[in-house]
Amino acid sequence: EDKVVQSPLSLVVHEGDTVTLNCSYEVTNFRSLLWYKQEKKAPTFLFMLTSSGIEKKSGRLSSILDKKELFSILNITATQTGDSAIYLCAVEGGNSGYALNFGKGTSLLVTP
Amino acid sequence: DTGVSQDPRHKITKRGQNVTFRCDPISEHNRLYWYRQTLGQGPEFLTYFQNEAQLEKSRLLSDRFSAERPKGSFSTLEIQRTEQGDSAMYLCASSLGWASGTDEQYFGPGTRLTVT
Repeated sequence: EDKVVQSPLSLVVHEGDTVTLNCSYEVTNFRSLLWYKQEKKAPTFLFMLTSSGIEKKSGRLSSILDKKELFSILNITATQTGDSAIYLCAVEGGNSGYALNFGKGTSLLVTP
Repeated sequence: DTGVSQDPRHKITKRGQNVTFRCDPISEHNRLYWYRQTLGQGPEFLTYFQNEAQLEKSRLLSDRFSAERPKGSFSTLEIQRTEQGDSAMYLCASSLGWASGTDEQYFGPGTRLTVT
């Protein structure tokens, strides 16, 4: 059975801290791994990763994929209160064709 | 705003009633997906379309659920004889498809269904 597991499930940090969110997966026919940010609305796209070891970066956010160890991390540096959200990891592949298999998400709260 | 729109944004219905939701994808996107999300969970896949063809359905999609995408543009998701367990956020997403070389899915704002 395809699985996407995120850790931690929740996290509270102070503004300015750096956080690392984890996503491990067991999915057949892996095609890509995606990270989304979800506030009180629909998920918004952050990154899509298909190759191991290549870091994707956008401002204070970065992500990398390890296809040998089957995991990805999402880093957020110099966190701000606006980073407070649920971060979802999703894997494309598995038994659902092009559909995404999502983890439960990591709920991040950044306090002032 | 991703360019994917959904209507209505909220729906309250009584158990046993039928409901229909609409999704308008980003105009040049070939693939359209439906997901369901309940509190504390990530979205769960329901079904997807490549143009007008419904290519895959999850086992979550019982006989009470039906989806269409006539002419490969907007899509509708209908739930018949709603049950309280159907209460959830119903998310629509669209993507370009393989022709683009990547397949990022962009989500609409969702329709929150409450069955009383």
